[in-house]
Amino acid sequence: EIVLTQSPGTLSLSPGERATLSCRASQSVSSSYLAWYQQKPGQAPRLLIYGASSRATGIPDRFSGSGSGTDFTLTISRLEPEDFAVYYCQQYGSSPSTFGPGTKVDIK
Amino acid sequence: QVQLVESGGGVVQPGRSLRLSCAASGFTFSSYGMHWVRQAPGKGLEWVAVIWYDGSNKYYADSVKGRFTISRDNSKNTLYLQMNSLRAEDTAVYYCARDLWELSREYSSPFYYWGQGTLVTVSS
Repeated sequence: EIVLTQSPGTLSLSPGERATLSCRASQSVSSSYLAWYQQKPGQAPRLLIYGASSRATGIPDRFSGSGSGTDFTLTISRLEPEDFAVYYCQQYGSSPSTFGPGTKVDIK
Repeated sequence: QVQLVESGGGVVQPGRSLRLSCAASGFTFSSYGMHWVRQAPGKGLEWVAVIWYDGSNKYYADSVKGRFTISRDNSKNTLYLQMNSLRAEDTAVYYCARDLWELSREYSSPFYYWGQGTLVTVSS
């Protein structure tokens, strides 16, 4: 099973700042089958990025993904008030699909 | 529009059974693989099971293998999760989620569409 590690655990930033979230895999993620989700309290997760760098339908271009192999990054170029949430990465290239533990982005 | 609506959650004693349902609408249900994903209170996400669009293959997380069974009725546009021998650690919100791509024969997928979730509490 591929174990995903996310860092930092919590990121405290102000609106307008840039957020950089990391997801590291215990082994290479095949074909960059890596996705990112945003989750707010009481809501289902929202798909942001799949295939490491492809934005899902309706996702603003301030969200971008990069990386390959074992190291992946989600970047939010300028934080909007609605971006403060928990972010999860998921690998779906190997069975079982696994999620990272999450990074909480909160308001500084 | 795509809708996934889970039902069947509740409070159940350890060792007992529960069946969850997920009613799908707004898309051709029989063309998409379907998954269950759970989230324990205050914790992260855990993939539970997948069933391919035609029901030909099913895969499970090790934590539920042998106790949970995923199934689907394409004539009723409904996904199920039969949960037996429930344990306290199965307490979670259970979400159904749809494959991103139709007619997929992969173990997993990114999940664009999710239900609102149904809470299962295993407690004596």
